[in-house]
Amino acid sequence: LAKTTQPISMDSYEGQEVNITCSHNNIATNDYITWYQQFPSQGPRFIIQGYKTKVTNEVASLFIPADRKSSTLSLPRVSLSDTAVYYCLVGGALNRDDKIIFGKGTRLHILP
Amino acid sequence: SAVISQKPSRDICQRGTSLTIQCQVDSQVTMMFWYRQQPGQSLTLIATANQGSEATYESGFVIDKFPISRPNLTFSTLTVSNMSPEDSSIYLCSAGNVNEAFFGQGTRLTVV
Repeated sequence: LAKTTQPISMDSYEGQEVNITCSHNNIATNDYITWYQQFPSQGPRFIIQGYKTKVTNEVASLFIPADRKSSTLSLPRVSLSDTAVYYCLVGGALNRDDKIIFGKGTRLHILP
Repeated sequence: SAVISQKPSRDICQRGTSLTIQCQVDSQVTMMFWYRQQPGQSLTLIATANQGSEATYESGFVIDKFPISRPNLTFSTLTVSNMSPEDSSIYLCSAGNVNEAFFGQGTRLTVV
């Protein structure tokens, strides 16, 4: 399983776009990149997943450069309710029974 | 998607006793996992609950301390045995795979 590195914490203001970058230098060819969000007193929840280039859904966008050694989660126009911990995970889609290992995550704090 | 129901949601236990946490999934899933999360920390994988066979434990976790059952594809239990205050933590059940995992709300355990 590829190791991931993220900033420990970030602060931003309501209405801003927030970009959280994750490094995964040892990503394997078949690995996908998945981001989870965890609010206090809740379990993590899936946000977005991608393999390369750009993926967008109703919550976020995920940008993956051609070398796939990093990825950036982009949250548009954040609100106070986006305050949470964001985890970047890398795992093999071909081996769908991979165990799920969490890194330290990024603690995002949105200020009014 | 899958809905994970975990109980109890919280408990306060005396040291030396044991607590069994139940995890029910609303659909059949191949993979189920148990995690521990200390306040302000990331999730640490305890074990993979294998249906019909012994769980696969991560380094630092042993079956005698954390026995796990997985009698079918929708249910698992984790027992925290012979508890000490160091076992105070949030215990989370998860189902799915690295591409999209679903989590219960967690069990907040306090050992006194």
